Amino acid sequence: EIVLTQSPGALSLSPGERATLSCRASQSVSSRYLVWYQQKPGQAPRLLIYGVSNRATGIPDRFSGSGSGTDFTLTISRLEPEDFAVYYCQHFDTSWTFGQGTKVEIK
Amino acid sequence: QVQLQESGPGLVHPSGTLSLTCAVSGVSISNGDWWNWVRQSPGRGLEWIGETFHSGNPNYNPSLKGRVDISVDKSRNQFSLSLTSVTAADTAVYYCARDRSYGGDPEEWAFDIWGRGTMVTVTS
Repeated sequence: EIVLTQSPGALSLSPGERATLSCRASQSVSSRYLVWYQQKPGQAPRLLIYGVSNRATGIPDRFSGSGSGTDFTLTISRLEPEDFAVYYCQHFDTSWTFGQGTKVEIK
Repeated sequence: QVQLQESGPGLVHPSGTLSLTCAVSGVSISNGDWWNWVRQSPGRGLEWIGETFHSGNPNYNPSLKGRVDISVDKSRNQFSLSLTSVTAADTAVYYCARDRSYGGDPEEWAFDIWGRGTMVTVTS
């Protein structure tokens, strides 16, 4: 079973700053199934990025994804107030797995 | 507009069976997507439970195999989750979600539509 490890666990930043979130897989994974979600308190997750780098419908271009093999990154170029949330990466091998999440909080 | 809505009891007794239904609207459950259940324990991360296609052929999280069953009711355009022998560790918010293809070569998949979630507490 592939394990996804996200780092850091929490990130304290100010609006306007750049956020860089990491997702590391325990072994090389297929890019076609590498996905990122955003979750705010009391809400369901929201799809941000699929296939490593493709933004989902309606996602602003300040969100971008990159990576390959075992190392993947979600970048938020300039944090807006509504971007402070928890972010999860996800992958499918023989089953879907989620990383443990990175909380982006206001500094 | 595709929408998913979870329903079911909010309280389940230990050793009992948790049963939830996800009503799908705005799209046929037979349109080629996969239909999933995901849960989130209070203050914790997301855990995938399993998925099913409209023709059956479910796929489950190995950690829950033997206790979980996901079925489809095409006539009602809904799918259901059954989790047996529940304990306090099964207390969570349960979400249903659609896993759709975004095309491409190779094909890319992601959970694009989620229900709002329903809280299930295992308690005597």
